[in-house]
Amino acid sequence: DTGVSQDPRHKITKRGQNVTFRCDPISEHNRLYWYRQTLGQGPEFLTYFQNEAQLEKSRLLSDRFSAERPKGSFSTLEIQRTEQGDSAMYLCASSMGTGPYEQYFGPGTRLTVT
Amino acid sequence: GESVGLHLPTLSVQEGDNSIINCAYSNSASDYFIWYKQESGKGPQFIIDIRSNMDKRQGQRVTVLLNKTVKHLSLQIAATQPGDSAVYFCAENRPNNAGNMLTFGGGTRLMVKP
Repeated sequence: DTGVSQDPRHKITKRGQNVTFRCDPISEHNRLYWYRQTLGQGPEFLTYFQNEAQLEKSRLLSDRFSAERPKGSFSTLEIQRTEQGDSAMYLCASSMGTGPYEQYFGPGTRLTVT
Repeated sequence: GESVGLHLPTLSVQEGDNSIINCAYSNSASDYFIWYKQESGKGPQFIIDIRSNMDKRQGQRVTVLLNKTVKHLSLQIAATQPGDSAVYFCAENRPNNAGNMLTFGGGTRLMVKP
């Protein structure tokens, strides 16, 4: 257990529905990252926060995706109007400091869109 | 290419032997590298990292070697144990890409035979 928690661990939804995932980072970590991982592939960066500011977004993050970290602690990732191609593992990671160093990952949320 | 990649998708070793997992990267500006271990259904677990001003770093039973001349990274695991069976990912930080994200390779599966 790295200290990063994610909820829910599994989510099954129908196409077109909205889903929201939560990530609680290691408490003293100021940086929080979201990644997406599909089967057999490495994680792909989606976005990251330094404290409450969202500083970087990947072009993978379409308009249907939004992430927040309102108080610089936990973060939420929402996907609107889900599509089957959104099925993946959504991973959260956190780190301390001013660079992408020593990122510790949570267990992930497995999303299945039917 | 622009991606971090791995030479071998699957590596099978005998328990007690040493394992070497290789990774090639293409961005000469990358300044930080991490190895992660990922077991089925779990998030990536931090193993060891190295900055580009070093060529070797040792941890407990693991050693990372960085050869910047040929843009090659390796993870050596000494006295491999069944619990080491997992998928291993290398990841790099590219400072010219906002410098705040990790780019992952595709992974190598390590299978340890008892």
